[in-house]
Amino acid sequence: ILNVEQSPQSLHVQEGDSTNFTCSFPSSNFYALHWYRWETAKSPEALFVMTLNGDEKKKGRISATLNTKEGYSYLYIKGSQPEDSATYLCAFIGVSRDTGRRALTFGSGTRLQVQP
Amino acid sequence: DGGITQSPKYLFRKEGQNVTLSCEQNLNHDAMYWYRQDPGQGLRLIYYSQIVNDFQKGDIAEGYSVSREKKESFPLTVTSAQKNPTAFYLCASSISPRSGNTIYFGEGSWLTVV
Repeated sequence: ILNVEQSPQSLHVQEGDSTNFTCSFPSSNFYALHWYRWETAKSPEALFVMTLNGDEKKKGRISATLNTKEGYSYLYIKGSQPEDSATYLCAFIGVSRDTGRRALTFGSGTRLQVQP
Repeated sequence: DGGITQSPKYLFRKEGQNVTLSCEQNLNHDAMYWYRQDPGQGLRLIYYSQIVNDFQKGDIAEGYSVSREKKESFPLTVTSAQKNPTAFYLCASSISPRSGNTIYFGEGSWLTVV
């Protein structure tokens, strides 16, 4: 099982604040990195699929960067709104040391609460 | 609308009983997956299927069984051999089993053993 860590575990910000969180993953045998947004009582939804070192993706006020050499991705939210409150999951796709197969491993998520 | 439907949303099971969680997708996806979430942990893969009539164990397959008789259906059975079945279960699918494809999720099923 590959080690994928997200930090912080939870975050409380005020409306209008900008924020960012981190996904760390093994720097070897990288294939792709996904970000998902998971609102309470709904299904996780894909935000970004990132495949190349140096990738930067943007969707509205949310953007993400990728550094495969050092094994991290940042997710940024500019001017947070209450509707941004959700758990943000990253998923790393690499080669499993145990099986040699490609494997997708989720982090445990960052729970964001935006106070109005 | 296309999507993934899981049922039931909430299920209570007595110890020693098998239960089956349903997952249906109308996205015409080849690959389907079952994940489990426990508090404070990431999603862990139970089983996945790349194509009809084929499935593979994930990281925590013990005590679970699946079938893939139809492309659109991937039911998960939680057997009495699963020592700690109380959890949140998510079904998912992707266009193909190749890595990099976006995964689409159902809304999940809560299983509680009483």
